[in-house]
Amino acid sequence: DIQMTQSPSTLSAAVGDRVTITCRASQIISSWLAWYQQKPGKAPNLLIYKASSLESGVPSRFSGSGSGTEFTLTISSLQPDDFATYYCQQYNSYSFTFGQGTKLEIK
Amino acid sequence: EVELVESGGGWVQPGGSLRLSCAASGFIFSDHYMDWVRQAPGKGLEWVGRTRDKANDYTTEYAASVKGRFTISRDDSKNSLYLQMNSLKTEDTAVYYCARAGFAGATTWGYFDLWGRGTLVTVSS
Repeated sequence: DIQMTQSPSTLSAAVGDRVTITCRASQIISSWLAWYQQKPGKAPNLLIYKASSLESGVPSRFSGSGSGTEFTLTISSLQPDDFATYYCQQYNSYSFTFGQGTKLEIK
Repeated sequence: EVELVESGGGWVQPGGSLRLSCAASGFIFSDHYMDWVRQAPGKGLEWVGRTRDKANDYTTEYAASVKGRFTISRDDSKNSLYLQMNSLKTEDTAVYYCARAGFAGATTWGYFDLWGRGTLVTVSS
């Protein structure tokens, strides 16, 4: 299976900050990568697919980039609602696999 | 309203069986591939498996960790997805989410654009 590694595991930031989360794949996955946001006790919510395509209804402060094996999720100006855990997921091949998650905390 | 609602979770002893259901509404269920994803308490997300649509003979894919023990099926007439779980192990304890596969450009992809709220399965003696 393709291994997905996110960094950092935990990130402390303040409202208004620009933050970046990195996701690395153990092999080339082209642009077949998605990003999700999950809040405690809730289901994940799709933010980005195909590495950089913004899902409908997701605020434009979220953006994704990368291809091959290295990807980033950027939040341009953190809002209070953005403090959550973020997961990347590859869908280049079965079994689909997720990163271990990045918890974004309030500084 | 477009939604997925899981049911059937609960407590089961190791070696036991359980069947989860997922009721879909607000979209054409039969047009979509459907997946199960699970999350152990305090842990990350793990893809469990997928069923394709009728045009693709309802074929399935599974994670290695559940292959041979879990079976995914669907009933398009009832807008429902199922997960039959047999030979359950303590490590199968998790919240199980039903998820819809993303569809763009007339193609189904491997990301998930709609999720249910999940149902908790606890495997313990």
